[in-house]
Amino acid sequence: QKEVEQDPGPLSVPEGAIVSLNCTYSNSAFQYFMWYRQYSRKGPELLMYTYSSGNKEDGRFTAQVDKSSKYISLFIRDSQPSDSATYLCAMSGNSGNTPLVFGKGTRLSVIA
Amino acid sequence: AAGVIQSPRHLIKEKRETATLKCYPIPRHDTVYWYQQGPGQDPQFLISFYEKMQSDKGSIPDRFSAQQFSDYHSELNMSSLELGDSALYFCASSLRGQVGREQYFGPGTRLTVT
Repeated sequence: QKEVEQDPGPLSVPEGAIVSLNCTYSNSAFQYFMWYRQYSRKGPELLMYTYSSGNKEDGRFTAQVDKSSKYISLFIRDSQPSDSATYLCAMSGNSGNTPLVFGKGTRLSVIA
Repeated sequence: AAGVIQSPRHLIKEKRETATLKCYPIPRHDTVYWYQQGPGQDPQFLISFYEKMQSDKGSIPDRFSAQQFSDYHSELNMSSLELGDSALYFCASSLRGQVGREQYFGPGTRLTVT
């Protein structure tokens, strides 16, 4: 079983929809939680990061972390065709700058 | 803002050849990470460096080696290349001691081994 599980999709939604992306994890040492967006053949682009449990909002994006359930979410409001990409959750522990452990990524298509 | 720079962007090599990938981190960043992403896969951590010293080691084959130089750029050296080494290789950089653990990724080097 992978440390981080993420539904690979693909997920297809109409423009303007609210998108919910999720990951579960098994390692209770994870303290830092990130969401990256990756367009085809490009490098992952950092969207959001959260430390420990809680919510964080940035424009149309909201990240939630529930450490008690080992569950993290990314919500995208008013989705746009330009949001079409693969979304990767990633997490790391608390000692120094530890490597990231990624989920497999969810491929999202927003249809105009 | 300056981003992570990787070169070359594309590389085609034959089996058993060697390859060198270069990474230039964001200015002031002191930590460099290397990840390998196979087709349809998530990035897998290979190795990282902090202040020119190896910091963490992941699933890096013995055929690969890496180092970080005094100007903080890093090179990933790959020898005896195999077909299975064909992948996207990403470098990421971060600043140790930064409250967050944000790692910023470069555009990647696409390595094709034929």
